Amino acid sequence: DAGVTQSPTHLIKTRGQHVTLRCSPISGHKSVSWYQQVLGQGPQFIFQYYEKEERGRGNFPDRFSARQFPNYSSELNVNALLLGDSALYLCASSLGAPGLAVQETQYFGPGTRLLVL
Amino acid sequence: QQQVKQSPQSLIVQKGGISIINCAYENTAFDYFPWYQQFPGKGPALLIAIRPDVSEKKEGRFTISFNKSAKQFSLHIMDSQPGDSATYFCAASYGQNFVFGPGTRLSVLP
Repeated sequence: DAGVTQSPTHLIKTRGQHVTLRCSPISGHKSVSWYQQVLGQGPQFIFQYYEKEERGRGNFPDRFSARQFPNYSSELNVNALLLGDSALYLCASSLGAPGLAVQETQYFGPGTRLLVL
Repeated sequence: QQQVKQSPQSLIVQKGGISIINCAYENTAFDYFPWYQQFPGKGPALLIAIRPDVSEKKEGRFTISFNKSAKQFSLHIMDSQPGDSATYFCAASYGQNFVFGPGTRLSVLP
């Protein structure tokens, strides 16, 4: 079975540009979350989507946006890139909806390494 | 209150030794505590997880100890191997809200 897939694997952009990162969840998973992992730190939560609706947002500026498609894949968009946006962007998928009594495990993809010059 | 603290920042262990990583949290709403293993250039992979209704969970060489009253939990890696060399992250969550610790870089010497 395919795990979480992300594309592209690596990306180089310059300051002020826009970037779109893509994620396909594990088959049957309806929830997708995005994380930013700066080198040497733990992942920081950006967004969570379930059934095409945003269900959670971390402490990131409005330059960051995302959406989820009917097939549950997702895109993360970052506008007006800054040097500080250089990081590994991780997508994680899970089965169910927020607020479930039983915790749903998140499974991470390999990430997209973004370098902003 | 959303922060998860993790120590040590780095750890060097001889092959066959025990690796111990500790985490602490403040938010009592957290109800799920996973540990992730991450190799360079890869995404984190779930290693083992525990819920607060048990004090210990063991899977192979990996054990989580959980102290609800102290709001602390730890990962023990028995018989550590060079292949265990990686960065380990603890996390705490409620619902889909995951908060990660800053990570521990483990090096197991042959």
